[in-house]
This record gives sequence, structure tokens and C-alpha cells, in this order.
Amino acid sequence: AAGVIQSPRHLIKEKRETATLKCYPIPRHDTVYWYQQGPGQDPQFLISFYEKMQSDKGSIPDRFSAQQFSDYHSELNMSSLELGDSALYFCASSWLNTEAFFGQGTRLTVV
Amino acid sequence: DQQVKQNSPSLSVQEGRISILNCDYTNSMFDYFLWYKKYPAEGPTFLISISSIKDKNEDGRFTVFLNKSAKHLSLHIVPSQPGDSAVYFCAASARGNAGNMLTFGGGTRLMVKP
Repeated sequence: AAGVIQSPRHLIKEKRETATLKCYPIPRHDTVYWYQQGPGQDPQFLISFYEKMQSDKGSIPDRFSAQQFSDYHSELNMSSLELGDSALYFCASSWLNTEAFFGQGTRLTVV
Repeated sequence: DQQVKQNSPSLSVQEGRISILNCDYTNSMFDYFLWYKKYPAEGPTFLISISSIKDKNEDGRFTVFLNKSAKHLSLHIVPSQPGDSAVYFCAASARGNAGNMLTFGGGTRLMVKP
């Protein structure tokens, strides 16, 4: 069965650069979530979209923005990167409030 | 303030025995609870969930118990297998509206010894 696809799997950026992470949800899922997991921490909710509209917002910095496109894929844009942004970024998708399925994650390293 | 807490950062169990992972929550609006299993460098994998209208849900070797009055849930794995060794996250959501996000606990690292 198709799973949540995230790209790239790994990304190395320098401080103050910009990064774009992509997420392709499971077909027919209507909700996409973004989570950030720092080293040794639990996943922290960033933002979610339901039917292409932002539905919930968590601890997402103002330097980050996200959107969901007409084909339901989502992109997380991160600008003015800081060392502390180094983390695993997970995308998850769900359908009608059922359980969320996670992608493999993107490991972002800011140097 | 953490709304979902897993007070045991690690748990070691002998193969074949029962593993019991615990989770406490504070937000009374939570009405849906999930357990995820996570291997290093991979995304969390959904294991089992329970709605607040139930107090038990069973799926094979995995059973989740919910005690709403105590705001406590637990995951039982019987019998435990070495392949169960991973980090287990408890998560909760308030499913009043579509698109409600998950709030995760800090995780418990389970080690099942052969």
C-alpha cells in the first residue's frame, strides 16, 4: 500500500539559508500534519492542513511557512535557518480524523 | 507544560514476558489515544488506538487500556518479542474538528532481551 512520501530524506544547509521540505500524503487522505523532532525529544506539532486549508498551528516559528496544494501534497518552507532547526521533520496524513500515518522523515542538518 | 507524559524513559523485558508501557495525560478534551512505535531514523508507525468511549482495545499481541477517571492509558504487549524493541510514543488528540493534531508523550524505549 502507498505510504506517506517525504523528500528529500536528508538535507544539509548552512545558517541563514532556506530549505523546502515536501510531503506527498497517502492517496485520498484529506489532512496533512508536520512535526519536528529534535535530538532526544518527542515529535512536536508544527502545523496541519485539512482540505488545503490550514487547520491547526503549533509551535511553528515565524520563519517557517507551509501550504497544501491542489494535489494535496504539502511543502514546508524554512527560511533564515538556524543551528537549532537541525531535526527530523515528519509529515503525516490521515483521513476523516482516523489515525495518522507518518512518512520516513527528512533529516535537516544546519551547519 | 506537557499534556501527555510517559514517565518511564526506558523499559527492559525478557522475551516472552509482558511489556507494560504507561502514559498519563492532563487535557480532559482528549478523546482519542494512539500508540506509535518508532525505530531510529524512521517515522513513527501506528500500532493501536482507542476512543474515549472504550476502556480496552485489543489487536493481536497489543492491548491498550484506558482509564478516563485517572487520565491514564497503558499498552500491553504479550508475549514480548525482540523485534518489539523500539521507542514507543503515546499520543492523544481532541477529535472535535477535522484536522486535529496529535500531542505526543516523550516516548519509552523498550528493550526486549532474548
